[in-house]
Amino acid sequence: GAGVSQSPSNKVTEKGKDVELRCDPISGHTALYWYRQSLGQGLEFLIYFQGNSAPDKSGLPSDRFSAERTGGSVSTLTIQRTQQEDSAVYLCASSRASGKNTGELFFGEGSRLTVL
Amino acid sequence: RKEVEQDPGPFNVPEGATVAFNCTYSNSASQSFFWYRQDCRKEPKLLMSVYSSGNEDGRFTAQLNRASQYISLLIRDSKLSDSATYLCVVNMAVRFSNDMRFGAGTRLTVKP
Repeated sequence: GAGVSQSPSNKVTEKGKDVELRCDPISGHTALYWYRQSLGQGLEFLIYFQGNSAPDKSGLPSDRFSAERTGGSVSTLTIQRTQQEDSAVYLCASSRASGKNTGELFFGEGSRLTVL
Repeated sequence: RKEVEQDPGPFNVPEGATVAFNCTYSNSASQSFFWYRQDCRKEPKLLMSVYSSGNEDGRFTAQLNRASQYISLLIRDSKLSDSATYLCVVNMAVRFSNDMRFGAGTRLTVKP
């Protein structure tokens, strides 16, 4: 596919379980972002990957959250010991290049996480 | 103060109306500015960039006032299909060069 692909599209889990969310960005896009969006809220930045540089993790809300990006392509966001407040839609986006004014982020359809 | 602040709405307007959305941002050194559109339960998509001189794309006009740290989006002749949430996005370039911060969005409903 040509777009950003995320899986699973929906995930229901029990409090305390670990979850993994996957993002496959557009081929050739060097920048990859994770955001989360709670119901009726704006997008909250989580983490940013750019090429082979160290990721910017400044948005991760706690040490239960981690992410990696293998080979500069696919990324996995892991949430350990999930809590009910982790329930949200997790959105991945990629963009074409680094540098200023790149502007357009291409989003996946998101992974909707529900923690019971 | 929030980094990017928008009137949440909702705005309920009849077809054919003109509607304007406002957005303010906190960082005067912000690099670039955008409006994204998000349909219900869908992902955000770029609507248009916002340039210092103001820019127009069909029925949509975006303006930037750097001195006031203010961005606007004007929609003329509203269509039913314009119903969506409009997100103000600012590249603050604080943590990294494409540090994109999103407003919470303004919801628009266009009614027949």
